[in-house]
Amino acid sequence: GENVEQHPSTLSVQEGDSAVIKCTYSDSASNYFPWYKQELGKRPQLIIDIRSNVGEKKDQRIAVTLNKTAKHFSLHITETQPEDSAVYFCADYKLSFGAGTTVTVRA
Amino acid sequence: EAEVAQSPRYKITEKSQAVAFWCDPISGHATLYWYRQILGQGPELLVQFQDESVVDDSQLPKDRFSAERLKGVDSTLKIQPAELGDSAMYLCASSLSGDTQYFGPGTRLTVL
Repeated sequence: GENVEQHPSTLSVQEGDSAVIKCTYSDSASNYFPWYKQELGKRPQLIIDIRSNVGEKKDQRIAVTLNKTAKHFSLHITETQPEDSAVYFCADYKLSFGAGTTVTVRA
Repeated sequence: EAEVAQSPRYKITEKSQAVAFWCDPISGHATLYWYRQILGQGPELLVQFQDESVVDDSQLPKDRFSAERLKGVDSTLKIQPAELGDSAMYLCASSLSGDTQYFGPGTRLTVL
């Protein structure tokens, strides 16, 4: 969506390395930022989300950081595994999705 | 675990024909969304319902698309007439409180 920009469009990492995806948003009123993982031919699934009253949230190997001043939020995947290979989408509170990042984890 | 249901899963139609998709949200979820996802792109919101009322349909091509949720539970999305450019995955999602969304499996539409 035009309100959310996502980078990079593709990301290839060695198994065990970290992956970082960044999204920028334009609406200052945005207060909710979800991340979705979509495997080939399957539905998007929420993997983590963050609200504007916190700066970071972690769930095992996945973390999201939010910088409200700069209007960007990032997804961090540590110790990547082959099953992390998928397309990842960010979105804002108006349900405007980024264009997606295709992550490939090389064994 | 409750899931969003959609049917059909696949639909092939010829251009100028009418098609309809059905969605049954997770029980108790007041908010329902219809998205269109073109291959290689992110989902694009078409319409959002809160109970039976439309909250946002600003991206819905109203000359050919219509959506309804008459009793505030299940919903139907219709396209008439279908065009070649409508070929896409149509995703339905629901949420309890308007943020965390749960997606259905989608309907893959092919217009010939």
